[in-house]
Amino acid sequence: EVRLVETGGGLIHPGGSLRLSCAVSGFTVSGDLMTWVRQAPGKGLQWVSIIYSHGSTYYEESVKGRFTISRDKSENTLVLQMNNLRVDDTAVYFCARGDYSEEGYFDPWGQGTQVTVSS
Amino acid sequence: DIQMTQSPSTLSASVGDRVTITCRASQTMSTWLAWYQQRPGKPPKLLIYKASILKSGVPSRFSGSASGTEFTLTISSLQPDDFATYYCQQYHLFPLTFGGGTKVEI
Repeated sequence: EVRLVETGGGLIHPGGSLRLSCAVSGFTVSGDLMTWVRQAPGKGLQWVSIIYSHGSTYYEESVKGRFTISRDKSENTLVLQMNNLRVDDTAVYFCARGDYSEEGYFDPWGQGTQVTVSS
Repeated sequence: DIQMTQSPSTLSASVGDRVTITCRASQTMSTWLAWYQQRPGKPPKLLIYKASILKSGVPSRFSGSASGTEFTLTISSLQPDDFATYYCQQYHLFPLTFGGGTKVEI
């Protein structure tokens, strides 16, 4: 069974750092397209970052230079390192698996982890 | 960036109704579009990809279509399980973008 479980969220002050993890089972994180998507309270979905099986990465403009997506192959985990956090980064962060053709749609998704940036 | 304008933002309907949700893209993007369903407190679930291909296991009352830059999700006969928020997502260009969502409520 394919499963994704996000951890690492929490309450952090502006300017702080957090490391989100997405532990996957049922497939190999290094062999698949993977993404992070966030959802601010009461708002819609916003794409954050993506990593292809061959290693290319892309970011939403507002997180470029602050967030880094990577894979921990030994732990079969997707990681999002978030630095210099801002209040508007507050959201539930979901990880999701991309389609086998790496076209850019996602299924399944994890349950999400809450990140709250506040002073 | 490709802007996805989704309408309506809220839709009131009853069980058995035929429901149509529209996403309009700000530029041409072939059929690189997915539809997701999200229930409160839950992650999104993929319904349709490549504008009209139903994900395996999704009920056949869901369908998708495309005409130029306009994309449509149709639920042929609304069921109690279908009251949720629906999002479109384009995957033609980075940044990937989502529509603003359509909440289907009673």
